[in-house]
Amino acid sequence: AQTVTQSQPEMSVQEAETVTLSCTYDTSESNYYLFWYKQPPSRQMILVIRQEAYKQQNATENRFSVNFQKAAKSFSLKISDSQLGDTAMYFCAFITGANSKLTFGKGITLSVRP
Amino acid sequence: DAGITQSPRYKITETGRQVTLMCHQTWSHSYMFWYRQDLGHGLRLIYYSAAADITDKGEVPDGYVVSRSKTENFPLTLESATRSQTSVYFCASSEARDVYNEQFFGPGTRLTVL
Repeated sequence: AQTVTQSQPEMSVQEAETVTLSCTYDTSESNYYLFWYKQPPSRQMILVIRQEAYKQQNATENRFSVNFQKAAKSFSLKISDSQLGDTAMYFCAFITGANSKLTFGKGITLSVRP
Repeated sequence: DAGITQSPRYKITETGRQVTLMCHQTWSHSYMFWYRQDLGHGLRLIYYSAAADITDKGEVPDGYVVSRSKTENFPLTLESATRSQTSVYFCASSEARDVYNEQFFGPGTRLTVL
């Protein structure tokens, strides 16, 4: 079975600080993609960052970066210089070619304090 | 307007009634998906479609019916709504050429079954 675990239900960070959101996953597949989605209060799902499992280099998108540890099946998201607009629920997800379906974690609610 | 839209955005219905949630995308994406979002569960796949007239079950298909007669539309029907189907429903689409492509999400429909 393919699973995604986000063990922290909530986190809080001061504006301008750095925060790391944890995610672990389990799959027997060797080729897959990992994603972090952001869901602000508007409910819209927004792709934050994507990582191909066959790439060793960690993906980076402006203030967002990942720490991808394939052997440990860990995929954490680091948000640098946190902004009030980063307040949202964040979902970790992955997809494999075996079933073409996105598997999501339960999400983590991030609050950025002014 | 271009993109992926869902209607209605909010719906209140009664137990036992039939409800259809609409999803429309203008990108001619081959893949379309229906998810439900519940607190503590993240997003779970209900049904998906790889092309017109091709549909398949996801993780939680019971009580739902889908059809895909046209590439751009993917309606989800609750044949006899139950309280447990109270949820936020998201439609998504992605291009056909690579199953690892980003899934683009609609704005969601909040359904309440009384």
